[in-house]
Amino acid sequence: NAGVMQNPRHLVRRRGQEARLRCSPMKGHSHVYWYRQLPEEGLKFMVYLQKENIIDESGMPKERFSAEFPKEGPSILRIQQVVRGDSAAYFCASSPIPGANQPQHFGDGTRLSIL
Amino acid sequence: GQQLNQSPQSMFIQEGEDVSMNCTSSSIFNTWLWYKQDPGEGPVLLIALYKAGELTSNGRLTAQFGITRKDSFLNISASIPSDVGIYFCNVSGAGSYQLTFGKGTKLSVIP
Repeated sequence: NAGVMQNPRHLVRRRGQEARLRCSPMKGHSHVYWYRQLPEEGLKFMVYLQKENIIDESGMPKERFSAEFPKEGPSILRIQQVVRGDSAAYFCASSPIPGANQPQHFGDGTRLSIL
Repeated sequence: GQQLNQSPQSMFIQEGEDVSMNCTSSSIFNTWLWYKQDPGEGPVLLIALYKAGELTSNGRLTAQFGITRKDSFLNISASIPSDVGIYFCNVSGAGSYQLTFGKGTKLSVIP
């Protein structure tokens, strides 16, 4: 499968624990975007990364959330000390180059549930 | 932040009927995209529109980028059960990589 791969598909955490969500972009894509989707809502942009760089994190909460895209390995979205409000579906997308004319290809998401 | 208004929010149609949905914004955008999301999956790009007035087809789907650059519509002809899902419109501004999603139109097709 050459598409965007996200894992795990489902993640359950208790309040106060840490959640790590992983995203492997499509082959040849070096630009990764994370979005969050609440039930009955559209996806909301969180952060845009290139290899080893965060380009735009304007949609990501300042506290408890962080993202990285190392030189080797998948992009990671990390949520520390999770709270109930973090329950959502988190989607990763990738593109070969950035810009509006480059369609973003989405993974199937990680559904995070906080007990 | 930027708001996209999609209508209708949901629709129930008989298999074989045509469907029309639209999306409006208060601002001008250079790119309009239509994605479809099946339950439990990520959005999949259906049609991309880059030029005001552009009319583009993809099989039974047709979408248009409004002349004012503030709206777009998506038509589906002769609907089939696998058309069920949520259809999102998206916009992107000049030089932007952020996709702004509408709240979606949920389509149900009755066999």
